[in-house]
Amino acid sequence: QVHLPQWGAGLLKPSETLSLTCAVYGPSFDFYWNWIRQPPGKGLEWIGEINRSGRTNYNSSLKSRVTISVDTSKNQFSLRLSSVTAADTALYWCARAPLLGGIDAWGQGTPVTVS
Amino acid sequence: DIQMTQSPSSLSASIGDRVTITCRASQDISNYLAWYQKKPGKVPNLLIYGASTVQSGVPSRFSGSGSGTHFTLTITSLQPEDVATYYCQKYDSAPRTFGQGTRLEIK
Repeated sequence: QVHLPQWGAGLLKPSETLSLTCAVYGPSFDFYWNWIRQPPGKGLEWIGEINRSGRTNYNSSLKSRVTISVDTSKNQFSLRLSSVTAADTALYWCARAPLLGGIDAWGQGTPVTVS
Repeated sequence: DIQMTQSPSSLSASIGDRVTITCRASQDISNYLAWYQKKPGKVPNLLIYGASTVQSGVPSRFSGSGSGTHFTLTITSLQPEDVATYYCQKYDSAPRTFGQGTRLEIK
């Protein structure tokens, strides 16, 4: 079993940087660690992912503003999204995915409002 | 980037009906496709991976099929608890794009 508690600031002003962190309790090898969001009333949007080696992949539309990092000593990974606007208001989840598999574990979600 | 398109965007069906949702990829993704169920206030739940492999614990009325660019999610006998929004997602390579979702309601 895996447990993914996540935390971070939930209220930001435009132009600030969103910062969220997710801890991994459970198996962590051979997985990609993802960030996903859902704006109010809209669908799921994949933000990006990282593996334990630090290899990252990002959504093309967010790539210029997103940084995902990993701290293997703490078993944590983090999301930073710079220059936020109201369009970044969403529920953000961290999640686990096998290299070639569906997302099988999710954090509890962090609502982020930019206002 | 490969685009994922679901149809319909919403549908209404009766209890016991067979329901089919379609997901199309703009390029061949082999069978690297997952389906999720999303209910309000809940995290998404993985239903299907590998286009047709049912995740452990998922009711047997859910099934998936397809490969290449055309995929379907089928619910053989709709139950009240199946009211949700369903998403497909590709994972052959990054980005792991989601479809736009299909909202399923009870008639």
